[in-house]
Amino acid sequence: EDQVTQSPEALRLQEGESSSLNCSYTVSGLRGLFWYRQDPGKGPEFLFTLYSAGEEKEKERLKATLTKKESFLHITAPKPEDSATYLCAVQAPRQAGTALIFGKGTTLSVSS
Amino acid sequence: DADVTQTPRNRITKTGKRIMLECSQTKGHDRMYWYRQDPGLGLRLIYYSFDVKDINKGEISDGYSVSRQAQAKFSLSLESAIPNQTALYFCATSDLGSGPQETQYFGPGTRLLVL
Repeated sequence: EDQVTQSPEALRLQEGESSSLNCSYTVSGLRGLFWYRQDPGKGPEFLFTLYSAGEEKEKERLKATLTKKESFLHITAPKPEDSATYLCAVQAPRQAGTALIFGKGTTLSVSS
Repeated sequence: DADVTQTPRNRITKTGKRIMLECSQTKGHDRMYWYRQDPGLGLRLIYYSFDVKDINKGEISDGYSVSRQAQAKFSLSLESAIPNQTALYFCATSDLGSGPQETQYFGPGTRLLVL
């Protein structure tokens, strides 16, 4: 069964304290791994798509990496405005062109 | 203006009532989806549509129906609402021609409370 697990469930950081969020997955034939940011009461906002192991993408203080079993979202020198829930999702051939399988998310709180 | 809009944004209804949630998009995408989000369960797929004539059930379609009125409009109906359908509902779109990894773009959500 295709599955996505995110850890930790919640993470509290001080401003400037770098850390990483983990997304581990079991899926047959990964077509794509997606990271989204979700603010309270709002829809998920697309951040990154990763496809092949070794791939990396960056956006401001965020960098996403991918291996054959997991993805990391690295947050460098976070600011309070980075506080949000970060969602990981995978797309597999069984779900081809259809749904994303989501993890439950990691809620990040950054205090000044 | 937002690319994906949902109406209403908030709705309170009573058990047994029929309600409709609407989604419109200006992205020109072919594919549209309805998800629900519950605390501790994450996002789960209800229905999806590849074009106006193509409707498919998702993981949790029982108690729901959909209508794709046009390429840009996809509605979700609860025929007889029940309290465990209280959740946050999201519409999403993706573009068939965007490549093997179809990024999905989400609307702002509808918060539904069934009493």
